[in-house]
Amino acid sequence: SQTIHQWPATLVQPVGSPLSLECTVEGTSNPNLYWYRQAAGRGLQLLFYSIGIDQISSEVPQNLSASRPQDRQFILSSKKLLLSDSGFYLCAWGVRGLTSYEQYFGPGTRLTVT
Amino acid sequence: KQEVTQIPAALSVPEGENLVLNCSFTDSAIYNLQWFRQDPGKGLTSLLLIQSSQREQTSGRLNASLDKSSGRSTLYIAASQPGDSATYLCALDSWGKLQFGAGTQVVVTP
Repeated sequence: SQTIHQWPATLVQPVGSPLSLECTVEGTSNPNLYWYRQAAGRGLQLLFYSIGIDQISSEVPQNLSASRPQDRQFILSSKKLLLSDSGFYLCAWGVRGLTSYEQYFGPGTRLTVT
Repeated sequence: KQEVTQIPAALSVPEGENLVLNCSFTDSAIYNLQWFRQDPGKGLTSLLLIQSSQREQTSGRLNASLDKSSGRSTLYIAASQPGDSATYLCALDSWGKLQFGAGTQVVVTP
């Protein structure tokens, strides 16, 4: 069965510090991978998606970047965090079948920028 | 651009009552619609997926309908239980990109 891992689970970082959040997927090959952010009291916002290694699309201009060094590894980074980067970050994977497409989410990382 | 709205934003019901959660969207050109559950501080759990060609999906006490012509989906939860307390999110899939509503926060009181 497929599983998705995210770490760390929680993170408190000062403004201006770098960031690296990691997501790995097990039990599937060549998944589409996604990074979402959920700010307090708001819905989920798609940040990045990837259809393959080194194939990454950004959905919104921001202070963050993403990389996919391996098929089942997706990394969210920042060189200098802003207060507005605080939120709940969710990684997801999906595979399109013949008639349907479903996404599965990881447990999330709670980031607080102080 | 697709707009997804969930009404109400919050809902409190006594145990045993049926829950009705609404999701509306502006662009009917969707691939499918997915309902999720999110517990506080946790990730999302997929509940039901309705393909664009389907009208409804059922799983246990959950039933979700889809009416693309009116841009609406409804999630019904029968005989609610305190364990159903969570935030419920609908999301529309446009070729692999999910557009989420803000969610409905549900509290089921014993």
